[in-house]
Order: sequence, then structure tokens, then C-alpha cells
Amino acid sequence: EPEVTQTPSHQVTQMGQEVILRCVPISNHLYFYWYRQILGQKVEFLVSFYNNEISEKSEIFDDQFSVERPDGSNFTLKIRSTKLEDSAMYFCASSDGGGNQPQHFGDGTRLSIL
Amino acid sequence: QKEVEQNSGPLSVPEGAIASLNCTYSDRGSQSFFWYRQYSGKSPELIMFIYSNGDKEDGRFTAQLNKASQYVSLLIRDSQPSDSATYLCAVNVLGNAGNMLTFGGGTRLMVKP
Repeated sequence: EPEVTQTPSHQVTQMGQEVILRCVPISNHLYFYWYRQILGQKVEFLVSFYNNEISEKSEIFDDQFSVERPDGSNFTLKIRSTKLEDSAMYFCASSDGGGNQPQHFGDGTRLSIL
Repeated sequence: QKEVEQNSGPLSVPEGAIASLNCTYSDRGSQSFFWYRQYSGKSPELIMFIYSNGDKEDGRFTAQLNKASQYVSLLIRDSQPSDSATYLCAVNVLGNAGNMLTFGGGTRLMVKP
């Protein structure tokens, strides 16, 4: 069964450093998403991306965050200058349509900021 | 403010019993509803989705939706110890350009052998 793949599985970074989290969505999907989950808390929406542009972003997704689809298969989330509070699991998801189509999640990247 | 509420649990049921998980949502514009299963330290895994009022069955799982009451539930029949996990309710609002899902905090289910 096709799946969303994310790398790395765990990233440890010093505060203030830049990190890039990578995702390969399901191949025929057109809509891509990033969510995060701080330990013990709810899954929170960060951003959605369609047709090479951001469709929607949450208040969490401030100027420190950016997303990019650098080629036909990868979808990346960059955090420019990491803070301690950025420590969380980051999930990439994709769907083959908008609206009601279900979103399928990758295994996540655990980001630890020291 | 869009809210999705779930009882955090734990909900404990014996093996073979029916587990009933509930979710309420605040936004009447909500149009699609999803149940995800999340094992500890893992990612959300899609279990069921429902768009229309009524019941939708898939194997041992039944999703129930009542838009008038702003209530969605998941029934798990013949519960197995492997069903022990946190179940997340997620809601999407029609007209939401970005297809944002709003998640509840999840209900932890424990199925005892």
C-alpha cells in the first residue's frame, strides 16, 4: 500500500539552528500538509500546500517556517531559527483531493531542540 | 474557534466487548469527519471517515454521525488487545481552502484480555 515517507526519523539540533524536515507524499496525491504534535498534546495543523503554493497556514506557522516542493516527489518543512518550543513530532500528510478526501500521515520526525 | 472534544479516558473494555468512542465538535460548518488510531509514539493511522448523517460500517468499525447534535462516534466490535491505542477524532470544515483538520485530544482505549 502506498505510504508517506519522512526523513529523518529523529533530528537533534541546537537552538537557533536551521532544520529541514523531508517528506515524500504518496505519488498520485496533490495536496500536502504538515502537522505537529507536542508530547502529550493534540495534533496541530501547520500548513497545507497545493499547486506549488500555500493554501492555508495556522498561527503557529510564522515567519520562521517555510515549505517547499523542490522537485516532483519531495515536500520539505524548514524551520529557520529553532526554539526550544519547536521540539515536537512533525507529521507530513497527503491527500489525493481537497475537501473531504482523507489525509494519510507519514511516520513523523521527532525534532529535539537542545 | 473551532473545537473538537473527546473524553481523554482511559476507556477500559474487556476483550470481545464493544468499545464506544465519542466526539463533539463546535463548528456547524463541519462537513467531514475522520477517526484515526495512534499507538504510543507513532503517527495517526486512518481508520474511518464519514460525511453523511447515519452509520457507516467497515469490518469491526462503525462510525456514526449526527450533525444536528454535532456528535460523531466510533464503535469497535469484538475489541482486541491490539485495538489498545489512542483514537483521534478529526474534523474538516467545508469551504476551508486548505483542508485543515482540527483534531480532538484523543481517547485512550485499553482492551483487557
